[in-house]
Amino acid sequence: ILNVEQSPQSLHVQEGDSTNFTCSFPSSNFYALHWYRWETAKSPEALFVMTLNGDEKKKGRISATLNTKEGYSYLYIKGSQPEDSATYLCAFMDTGFQKLVFGTGTRLLVSP
Amino acid sequence: DTAVSQTPKYLVTQMGNDKSIKCEQNLGHDTMYWYKQDSKKFLKIMFSYNNKELIINETVPNRFSPKSPDKAHLNLHINSLELGDSAVYFCASSHSGTSGRETETQYFGPGTRLLVL
Repeated sequence: ILNVEQSPQSLHVQEGDSTNFTCSFPSSNFYALHWYRWETAKSPEALFVMTLNGDEKKKGRISATLNTKEGYSYLYIKGSQPEDSATYLCAFMDTGFQKLVFGTGTRLLVSP
Repeated sequence: DTAVSQTPKYLVTQMGNDKSIKCEQNLGHDTMYWYKQDSKKFLKIMFSYNNKELIINETVPNRFSPKSPDKAHLNLHINSLELGDSAVYFCASSHSGTSGRETETQYFGPGTRLLVL
């Protein structure tokens, strides 16, 4: 059974704060790590697909890093805005099953 | 333009009924998926199809039967609905791995909220 864990479960920050979350996944048989942003009552939207150890990806104020040897990825949001409020999901894919296993998500609330 | 669409968006039905949820994607992807969002908000894979062929079939009751008439469509038929089937069902699509891992981003539909009474 593949275990993907995210922390914290929820986070409440003020507008302008920078924040980061963690995704932990198995360190063996790594294939890819996905990050998704999921707003309430909408569908998950892809942020990043990360495939190589040491990968760093950036989209606007959001960036992510990947460490496949120790099995973790960090998602950073610089200068959080209220529109960043959403659940951030990571999902792990290994070489064996070729399916995404999702974490439970980090629910971010940014207050103005 | 809606990339991945699902119908219906909401479905309220009685226990024991049979119902279908339809999914269509216009992204030219060759792989489609059904996910269930359970009561704890987990997204769990149910099925995936690649070029109309079943690739992943998780331990889902055989009351659930996916059907892929072509690469752009993956429908989910549920027989003898039970209370525990109440959930949000998401369809998704992606390219397969032959195009490179980074192209395998999954695009999700808006979800179908199923309530079994």
